[in-house]
Amino acid sequence: IAGITQAPTSQILAAGRRMTLRCTQDMRHNAMYWYRQDLGLGLRLIHYSNTAGTTGKGEVPDGYSVSRANTDDFPLTLASAVPSQTSVYFCASSAATSGTDTQYFGPGTRLTVL
Amino acid sequence: GQNIDQPTEMTATEGAIVQINCTYQTSGFNGLFWYQQHAGEAPTFLSYNVLDGLEEKGRFSSFLSRSKGYSYLLLKELQMKDSASYLCAVVDSNYQLIWGAGTKLIIKP
Repeated sequence: IAGITQAPTSQILAAGRRMTLRCTQDMRHNAMYWYRQDLGLGLRLIHYSNTAGTTGKGEVPDGYSVSRANTDDFPLTLASAVPSQTSVYFCASSAATSGTDTQYFGPGTRLTVL
Repeated sequence: GQNIDQPTEMTATEGAIVQINCTYQTSGFNGLFWYQQHAGEAPTFLSYNVLDGLEEKGRFSSFLSRSKGYSYLLLKELQMKDSASYLCAVVDSNYQLIWGAGTKLIIKP
């Protein structure tokens, strides 16, 4: 069982370029999340989805968009990358959408925007 | 505003016991999580507390006092592999997860 996979593992991107981070889970979880993790800060929620076909904004959504066409996939797109988006990005999923359910994390994507 | 406080870094000796504290001020409370994160890896679930008291799970225990807005993670018989960051996260009144910045635990032989 793979759990959650993310691609790419790492990426260096020129400012202004478009980039999509991929996330796939095989646990049939309803809820999925995108976080960014920066040194000295807690995980910050970018976007979430409670079920296929629905998405919502988290704490830091500006400059990012998501889609949830099916249960398994939850890609995160940076339309025009800026250096402040340099971070480690984690995708996560949980079976329930209540917020009290355990979240399972992917291995992360380390993104550098120059 | 919502706030979760944890020490930035702690050092302990292999075989010893360490307590990592977490205090929180959030809009409502619907539970508290502890996650472990090794350097360069994803966070993994350790514990979830919603009622006051101590929950023990092997070498790890987690305590919650809702009236004090306080939790701690207790690690016994420390091993080198316990070197990691420990993340505290609170579920607020909107059932959103609010994360602390994490405590980096360094284990020395």
